[in-house]
Amino acid sequence: DGGITQSPKYLFRKEGQNVTLSCEQNLNHDAMYWYRQDPGQGLRLIYYSQIVNDFQKGDIAEGYSVSREKKESFPLTVTSAQKNPTAFYLCASSISTSSYEQYFGPGTRLTVT
Amino acid sequence: AQTVTQSQPEMSVQEAETVTLSCTYDTSESDYYLFWYKQPPSRQMILVIRQEAYKQQNATENRFSVNFQKAAKSFSLKISDSQLGDAAMYFCAYMGSGGGADGLTFGKGTHLIIQP
Repeated sequence: DGGITQSPKYLFRKEGQNVTLSCEQNLNHDAMYWYRQDPGQGLRLIYYSQIVNDFQKGDIAEGYSVSREKKESFPLTVTSAQKNPTAFYLCASSISTSSYEQYFGPGTRLTVT
Repeated sequence: AQTVTQSQPEMSVQEAETVTLSCTYDTSESDYYLFWYKQPPSRQMILVIRQEAYKQQNATENRFSVNFQKAAKSFSLKISDSQLGDAAMYFCAYMGSGGGADGLTFGKGTHLIIQP
């Protein structure tokens, strides 16, 4: 089946540690995105990538980093510089950034204590 | 910057009844896209319906329809014959003419409760 996978579903880390969230898609989509969701809030864009080896900051990129070495993979690293990293993180993809339809993964809940 | 406002934090409806969720947005663009996403307890985001701003006709998908008022910048979602499986958070979202490069701008959501 085609789709987007995110692992793990729940992730726990100690404060001060970097942590990497996985996102893989087999939809052959060029564009991929990372969003953050906080309680009572909609999603906010962290980073997006239009093609391999290219990515752009979204609205809340501070404290995060990404890479896009393969078309199907777009991992997100939450660094120790992110002041409030506990949140639900959603990955999405689309055929291209000019496409209006984004497909979402199941998300990863990150808890930092 | 674009903003999306959902003024109803929570709505409740009896099963089989009709409910309307409200959404307003602010933009200076004339060409854009509007969406309603459903987020059930599994937290997977599911696209319910979309509307292209250049289309005057309101979008419809089975029991889901929208009332798009471009001049008023209003985009409400009507769910007819509500079912228990419709219970979820519903998010209104905006995308500018730049497509995904602008990302989706979301409202804060409306929690829809279906009373059996």
